[in-house]
Amino acid sequence: DVKVTQSSRYLVKRTGEKVFLECVQDMDHENMFWYRQDPGLGLRLIYFSYDVKMKEKGDIPEGYSVSREKKERFSLILESASTNQTSMYLCASSHGGNGYTFGSGTRLTVV
Amino acid sequence: QKEVEQDPGPLSVPEGAIVSLNCTYSNSAFQYFMWYRQYSRKGPELLMYTYSSGNKEDGRFTAQVDKSSKYISLFIRDSQPSDSATYLCAPARSGGSNYKLTFGKGTLLTVNP
Repeated sequence: DVKVTQSSRYLVKRTGEKVFLECVQDMDHENMFWYRQDPGLGLRLIYFSYDVKMKEKGDIPEGYSVSREKKERFSLILESASTNQTSMYLCASSHGGNGYTFGSGTRLTVV
Repeated sequence: QKEVEQDPGPLSVPEGAIVSLNCTYSNSAFQYFMWYRQYSRKGPELLMYTYSSGNKEDGRFTAQVDKSSKYISLFIRDSQPSDSATYLCAPARSGGSNYKLTFGKGTLLTVNP
């Protein structure tokens, strides 16, 4: 089975900090995605990548950036964390049209 | 109009009930239709995958797509407490290498023993 691993389950950061969320997948998937999930708002796409060093903005990219230096790793960066970025962050990967495989999520709290 | 609309519930049913979960969508370019199940504090997992209109059955679960009315359904027979989760519908435009899912907001289901 494909595994998508997110480096942290829970994180607490201070306002203004630079935050790195890491995601690694082990099945050579070309597509990787970052979502945030909030009650009442559902899953919202932040950024996605179809290939190494390639990135595209999703629906809510403001305040975030990403990095994909290797095929298996997709990092989400909060340049200067703010309280409104407190959320559950979910990474996913896919190959072609076979559906997404999600990680377990990182619950980030910004204080 | 939002691309995908899903009643958020919550939906509470007794064990053994037949559950019907539904979504509507607006984009006629959607060709692939998926259902994801998400347990509390976990990531979503792929439950059902269908292409175009018709039915697909997998055990107690049946996915139904009506492209003419842009309506997607998931039926759960003989529901169990372990089915308690949030269910998200997710249509996709293309099955090619570059494709992106559009998720509904999810319906929270509780099956009571």
